[in-house]
Amino acid sequence: QQQVKQSPQSLIVQKGGISIINCAYENTAFDYFPWYQQFPGKGPALLIAIRPDVSEKKEGRFTISFNKSAKQFSLHIMDSQPGDSATYFCAASIGGSTLGRLYFGRGTQLTVWP
Amino acid sequence: ETGVTQSPTHLIKTRGQQVTLRCSSQSGHNTVSWYQQALGQGPQFIFQYYREEENGRGNFPPRFSGLQFPNYSSELNVNALELDDSALYLCASSFKRGGSYNEQFFGPGTRLTVL
Repeated sequence: QQQVKQSPQSLIVQKGGISIINCAYENTAFDYFPWYQQFPGKGPALLIAIRPDVSEKKEGRFTISFNKSAKQFSLHIMDSQPGDSATYFCAASIGGSTLGRLYFGRGTQLTVWP
Repeated sequence: ETGVTQSPTHLIKTRGQQVTLRCSSQSGHNTVSWYQQALGQGPQFIFQYYREEENGRGNFPPRFSGLQFPNYSSELNVNALELDDSALYLCASSFKRGGSYNEQFFGPGTRLTVL
C-alpha cells in the first residue's frame, strides 16, 4: 500500500513557468515532509522540507504548501528553468519516532523546455 | 554533493550469487538507512542501522542483511540474488539523538544488475 501518493507522473513546463507537484498521505502520525530532487544516475538530493506546524515554506524559487486538514502537500517551482529538469519525489516520515523511515511517492518527471 | 559515499558504482551479478554493497556516512552522522529504488519508482526502505544494530526493517526478506561499523560506515549484503533485485541501492545517513532524527542525506547509489 502506497503511504504517499504523488501526481502527476510526468510534467512538461515552459521555461519561466510554474511547476506544481502534488502529494497526499493518510497516516496522520507523519510529521516531516521532505521533497527530493533526483538527476539520472544520482541519488536523491534534499530540496526542501516542512513540518505540519506551518502551512508554507519558501526557499528561493521552491515553495512547499501544506494542508494538514486535507492531508496534502505540494511543491511549487517558480520561474522553472531547464536545469530543473529532473525527477522529484515527495516523502513523509515520523521524525520523532525511533525509526525516521522515509516513505516516498512514486516520483514526478519534470521537463522544462526552453 | 553530500558527504555520503557508496561503492561500487555499478555491479553485475548472476542469479543465485551474493553481493556486498558499501556506504560511508556523512561526517557527524550516526545512523545509516538503506533503500532500494527500482527503475521508475520511488525508493523503498530496506532497513536502518544505529549504534551497530538494526533499528527497523521494511518489507524485505532475511536474505537482505546489513552491518554497521564503529565508524558508522555500513554494508548491505544480499544473498541468493534474484532478477527482481536489480535496482539502484541507496544509502542515506542522518543523525539520531534521543528519539528524534534530522534530515537524511543520500549517497549516489550502487546500480546492481542481476542477470
